[in-house]
Amino acid sequence: EAQVTQNPRYLITVTGKKLTVTCSQNMNHEYMSWYRQDPGLGLRQIYYSMNVEVTDKGDVPEGYKVSRKEKRNFPLILESPSPNQTSLYFCASRLPGQGRAFFGQGTRLTVV
Amino acid sequence: AQSVTQPDIHITVSEGASLELRCNYSYGATPYLFWYVQSPGQGLQLLLKYFSGDTLVQGIKGFEAEFKRSQSSFNLRKPSVHWSDAAEYFCAVGARAGGFKTIFGAGTRLFVKA
Repeated sequence: EAQVTQNPRYLITVTGKKLTVTCSQNMNHEYMSWYRQDPGLGLRQIYYSMNVEVTDKGDVPEGYKVSRKEKRNFPLILESPSPNQTSLYFCASRLPGQGRAFFGQGTRLTVV
Repeated sequence: AQSVTQPDIHITVSEGASLELRCNYSYGATPYLFWYVQSPGQGLQLLLKYFSGDTLVQGIKGFEAEFKRSQSSFNLRKPSVHWSDAAEYFCAVGARAGGFKTIFGAGTRLFVKA
């Protein structure tokens, strides 16, 4: 089954404690992306990757890092989480030129 | 600047009534256009998309949307709403010429009255 898998689905952490949210897709997609969803703001793009070792900033990259060492994986790293990064995070992937993105189920992160 | 506007934060309709959710975009050229639906606690599911051709596109669950270039709009419609349609709906635009720049609207939450 074609899917994008994020882990964990829920996470509560404390300010400053480094964390990683994993994202994996089994569709051999070149493009992968991370979004955060906040009430009234919709989804905002954090980072995206057009292929292995090719990443670029989206609209709200501050406080986040990503890496793309393998085609299937695109982890999101918060080196020093802060409460304003409490949000719902989505990973997505797609093929070039296809337009339509496939989304993971989301990771609800709370930073206290 | 590129943007997507969904003017209605929330809409309430009666079950069986018709529905129209509005979406306006600002983009340098004709982009790809999408509508996604998000049920509570779920990820986003694609309802329909417009790439080119017929400006009236049909999607899943009985939804359709019409692209109007002159109005920069891509409104979502359904002739008869079901209680299971209660969810949040997102309009999105994406670049045609490569890249992964997809811009989402803020969303419209649909409530359905019995």
